[in-house]
Amino acid sequence: NAGVTQTPKFQVLKTGQSMTLQCAQDMNHNSMYWYRQDPGMGLRLIYYSASEGTTDKGEVPNGYNVSRLNKREFSLRLESAAPSQTSVYFCASRTDMGTDTQYFGPGTRLTVL
Amino acid sequence: DAKTTQPPSMDCAEGRAANLPCNHSTISGNEYVYWYRQIHSQGPQYIIHGLKNNETNEMASLIITEDRKSSTLILPHATLRDTAVYYCIAISNTNAGKSTFGDGTTLTVKP
Repeated sequence: NAGVTQTPKFQVLKTGQSMTLQCAQDMNHNSMYWYRQDPGMGLRLIYYSASEGTTDKGEVPNGYNVSRLNKREFSLRLESAAPSQTSVYFCASRTDMGTDTQYFGPGTRLTVL
Repeated sequence: DAKTTQPPSMDCAEGRAANLPCNHSTISGNEYVYWYRQIHSQGPQYIIHGLKNNETNEMASLIITEDRKSSTLILPHATLRDTAVYYCIAISNTNAGKSTFGDGTTLTVKP
């Protein structure tokens, strides 16, 4: 049982390049989330998916797109990376037993030059 | 969701109890108090949550005041590995999953 996994762990992009961050969970959770965390700051919600086939915007969705490929996988895409998107990106999944308990992945550290 | 207020930093001696306060004076009746922690840039880790009764698990205890306007997370015997940022969140089940993680409290456990 690996929990929540994320790839890659590190990535460096040039301004304007695109990339997709991958996230997968093996806990059979319906809900999945993408957060970003800037240095010295708390987490901010980018997008979330309450179930397979549905996605919704969070607090900071601009510049990102997401795909809920199936129940296990939730990807985050940067179409044209900008230096302001330099951050650590965390994926999480949540139990659906009427609670907010979330399980987080190890994060992807992205630098945009 | 109710706004929560936490001190920015705290120190604790190794082996002693760490008591982390959280103020949530505007909490509503259906909002739970959740605690997570984040150890040095790892993904946040769930610790404990409660509604109005005190709760205990293998990691910590959560004490919620009778008026529910504040709570305290207690790590009974802090170790160096408990050094982390601790986040207190108040959220209802209907808003579950849309948590706002603020700046939290940086707990430093010292030898």
